[in-house]
Amino acid sequence: KAGVTQTPRYLIKTRGQQVTLSCSPISGHRSVSWYQQTPGQGLQFLFEYFSETQRNKGNFPGRFSGRQFSNSRSEMNVSTLELGDSALYLCASSLDGTREDEQYFGPGTRLTVT
Amino acid sequence: ILNVEQSPQSLHVQEGDSTNFTCSFPSSNFYALHWYRWETAKSPEALFVMTLNGDEKKKGRISATLNTKEGYSYLYIKGSQPEDSATYLCALPPNQAGTALIFGKGTTLSVSS
Repeated sequence: KAGVTQTPRYLIKTRGQQVTLSCSPISGHRSVSWYQQTPGQGLQFLFEYFSETQRNKGNFPGRFSGRQFSNSRSEMNVSTLELGDSALYLCASSLDGTREDEQYFGPGTRLTVT
Repeated sequence: ILNVEQSPQSLHVQEGDSTNFTCSFPSSNFYALHWYRWETAKSPEALFVMTLNGDEKKKGRISATLNTKEGYSYLYIKGSQPEDSATYLCALPPNQAGTALIFGKGTTLSVSS
């Protein structure tokens, strides 16, 4: 079974631009969560999608948004990029989307904002 | 806001040593605790999901225990090997349904041969 895939793997953008990251979950998984990893803050929860609906959202500004498609693939968008948005963005999928469900992480997208 | 603390922040041991680290969390409103291993240049990998007080889980040389009443979990590695070098993260869901996880900052283990 293929794992979680994320595209692109690396991205360089300029301050003020916007960016879209993509995540394809493991086949059959219905929940996709997004996380931001920075050296100072560690792994921080961005949002979770389940059956095309945003179920939870972390403490991030409205510039961060996402969506999930009917095939469970998910995208996240960051508008008006700031230097502080430079980070590793990870997505994770799980089968049933419960608190006890094991989550499987993708390799991440490394975003650099200059 | 759920606060997940891990200690120590980093650890350096020799091959063959046994080691353990701690994850501390508020004991109220406990639902589950997740342990992950994150090796450099790889994705975080799930080790254990623990849900019951007194839970003990084992996978090879790695084991974990859970005490929800006092709010801590221990991760043990027996006979550390260089391939155990990684950052070990614990995470708990906040007080809401779904897969959101609040992560601790992790314990970075380095094993020398």
